[in-house]
Amino acid sequence: AQSVTQLDSHVSVSEGTPVLLRCNYSSSYSPSLFWYVQHPNKGLQLLLKYTSAATLVKGINGFEAEFKKSETSFHLTKPSAHMSDAAEYFCVVSRVNTGFQKLVFGTGTRLLVSP
Amino acid sequence: DVKVTQSSRYLVKRTGEKVFLECVQDMDHENMFWYRQDPGLGLRLIYFSYDVKMKEKGDIPEGYSVSREKKERFSLILESASTNQTSMYLCASSLGLGSGRSDTQYFGPGTRLTVL
Repeated sequence: AQSVTQLDSHVSVSEGTPVLLRCNYSSSYSPSLFWYVQHPNKGLQLLLKYTSAATLVKGINGFEAEFKKSETSFHLTKPSAHMSDAAEYFCVVSRVNTGFQKLVFGTGTRLLVSP
Repeated sequence: DVKVTQSSRYLVKRTGEKVFLECVQDMDHENMFWYRQDPGLGLRLIYFSYDVKMKEKGDIPEGYSVSREKKERFSLILESASTNQTSMYLCASSLGLGSGRSDTQYFGPGTRLTVL
């Protein structure tokens, strides 16, 4: 069965410092992996996705993630945090059920950015 | 841009009421989904639909039903609302069959439902 584990429920950084949000996945086959962001009182927005092309995936707003099969990880990084990055981030793995792709969400990591 | 809209941002209902949550997408997507989001649990799939009048149960369908009479509209129905259905409900849509592994789900803004 496919699953994801987000290793931190909260991450606090200062503006201008690097961001690292950790995600490990479990999948019985080569997965598709996604990171979504949810700003307060907003819906989820796709940051980036991995679908077995390049292992380093670049997303919107300067975020990127690296697929590491040997470590079953898909960590999200950004070189320099901005106040507007404060939000909740979800790591997501897809699973195939009767031919349809369904998503399995992690429990989320809340990113706090201080001035 | 894909747009997914939900009929209400906030909704307050009483226990035992029948509740309808509406979702509309404007990109001719095949697939539509209903999730509920609870703190510490992430998003959990309630139901999804891959075509008009077609539906499949997700991970937590108990207490819910759905309706898809038109391709662009997917309704979530709480037949008899209970307090444990107080939650944030999110609708999503995706292109569907043929898009394979890159099928991306696009989400609406959510409806925060409170059942008293």
